Amino acid sequence: NAGVTQTPKFQVLKTGQSMTLQCAQDMNHEYMSWYRQDPGMGLRLIHYSVGAGITDQGEVPNGYNVSRSTTEDFPLRLLSAAPSQTSVYFCASSYSALYNSPLHFGNGTRLTVT
Amino acid sequence: AQRVTQPEKLLSVFKGAPVELKCNYSYSGSPELFWYVQYSRQRLQLLLRHISRESIKGFTADLNKGETSFHLKKPFAQEEDSAMYYCALYSGNTPLVFGKGTRLSVIA
Repeated sequence: NAGVTQTPKFQVLKTGQSMTLQCAQDMNHEYMSWYRQDPGMGLRLIHYSVGAGITDQGEVPNGYNVSRSTTEDFPLRLLSAAPSQTSVYFCASSYSALYNSPLHFGNGTRLTVT
Repeated sequence: AQRVTQPEKLLSVFKGAPVELKCNYSYSGSPELFWYVQYSRQRLQLLLRHISRESIKGFTADLNKGETSFHLKKPFAQEEDSAMYYCALYSGNTPLVFGKGTRLSVIA
């Protein structure tokens, strides 16, 4: 099993550009989520999904869209990139939609917006 | 609202010294607490959870409901313990809430 796979590993965008961060898991996990990691701010939840076709907003959803058309994939879309979205993004999944199931994280995507 | 506080951004200790990473939470119900760790060039991963009451890599953490704390402890720090540590709170019907993290640096 590859676990949770995120692509790309690094990305540089110009302000106003859009892009999609990919996340895929091969563990048949129900729950998937996106976090951003910023110095001094810790991990903040952007969006999450408890199953295919179901998504919900986390703590910092503005400027991001998600969809969950399959169990395996949970892409994160930046609609119009801003410098404030410069961050490291982590995708995480867990077996159960119960929120106390252990999270499995991807390797992260380092995004810079200039 | 549920909140997790990790008061130290950076904690430096000498090899062989005891380590205590502090975590306090605010939640009026019965919480579940977790510690996640991110070693250099590795993925974030679960270190331990309080309901398991286990010791992982020599680390233990006890949930103290009276003090609303879940401090992570190890009697003798090793260089390989250097990492970023996150405390996380599960409160029932919402996703995990993470603290801001503490970077542990073990000095040889």
